[in-house]
This record gives sequence, C-alpha cells and structure tokens, in this order.
Amino acid sequence: GEDVEQSLFLSVREGDSSVINCTYTDSSSTYLYWYKQEPGAGLQLLTYIFSNMDMKQDQRLTVLLNKKDKHLSLRIADTQTGDSAIYFCAERPSGTYKYIFGTGTRLKVLA
Amino acid sequence: DGGITQSPKYLFRKEGQNVTLSCEQNLNHDAMYWYRQDPGQGLRLIYYSQIVNDFQKGDIAEGYSVSREKKESFPLTVTSAQKNPTAFYLCASNHKAGDYYGYTFGSGTRLTVV
Repeated sequence: GEDVEQSLFLSVREGDSSVINCTYTDSSSTYLYWYKQEPGAGLQLLTYIFSNMDMKQDQRLTVLLNKKDKHLSLRIADTQTGDSAIYFCAERPSGTYKYIFGTGTRLKVLA
Repeated sequence: DGGITQSPKYLFRKEGQNVTLSCEQNLNHDAMYWYRQDPGQGLRLIYYSQIVNDFQKGDIAEGYSVSREKKESFPLTVTSAQKNPTAFYLCASNHKAGDYYGYTFGSGTRLTVV
C-alpha cells in the first residue's frame, strides 16, 4: 500500500523539544521530506533526507531515518510558539516524481 | 523571484455552478499537481500533469477537470458534479527528475459553497 502515517496531534511546552514521527511504506523511496503548514497557507519545505542517510541536522531541526523500520522523525529543539503549525512528512518512491504525503501532525506549543 | 501563484485566495460558489481555480508557476517546473485539503485528512491528490497537453487522474478526480495548455499554467475546474467542494485547494510543482528540493506549493485557494 501507499500509506504514510502520522499521529494527528502533539502538544509541547515552549522551550522543550518536539518529536514528530512518521511511518512510510515504500522502501524504494529515494527522498523523504518534512513540510510545515501555517494556518491558511501553503506548505513550506523544511528539510529533506536522502534514503542512504541516517541523520540530518539543520539548525534546530534533526531528522532521523530508520530505513529498516521505515520510520522517519523530525525533532525540533527549543520549540517556540512560532513553530505551532501542521507538519507533513512525504516520500518520493523511486521511479516517480509524485510524492505521497502523510496526514499531518498538528503541533501546538504552549507558552 | 520564482514561485507559484494561486488565485483567488477565497472563492465562493453557488450550488450548480462551475468555478475555475488558477495556478501559475515561473519555476520552469515540468510537473504540476492539484491537492485538496480537508481538516484531519491531509492532502488528497486530484489531478497531476507531467508534461504539456497531458494529465492524469489522482485519487479523487471525480467532479473536477484540468487542462495543461502551457507549461506555466494548470487551472482546476470544480464542476457541479462535485458534491462537496468546500475545501482548501493547493497547487504544487516540481521537476521531473533529480529534484531533491521537493514540491513547491502555492498559497492555496479556499473554496466555499454558499
């Protein structure tokens, strides 16, 4: 099947770390992505990871990839109220440039 | 600056009307996509186009139509056959191959049936 699964909600306190998880099903996926959507807006690419990598760090963002379990996570360090948004993971299976998106995780940051 | 422009930002449709949502990109991207977003359901693919004058149905194409007469433009028509069109519509584009930067998205059109 082509299902990318995410939990729907996550709530954290300002200053804590947030971890958003994603499970994908296509082991041929070459690239995996994290997008952020603020209210009433389109999706903004946050970061991506190539399938031969285990980890990628970009300032406050850390992406971990467990290819064996088809598990992707996004850690946001020192979470701020401006990080409140919906976060989507997406995969790009090999041989196609059509992406498969997860259902999105709504992150709420409490002051 | 390059990007994708969707218009209008808000659109109201009466029962039985067809409406057309505009999507224009100046990124020289080959492929373009239309997604529908409903609360708690993520993104669902309506139609996509890999090349001019060609397009394919996505997962929820019924009640929608598209055209791709120019590389830059991929308008979506919501027809009266679409029974529940109220939603947020997103257009996206990317290159055919070797594009690890992923999709570029427009800012969306919110369609409401009145």
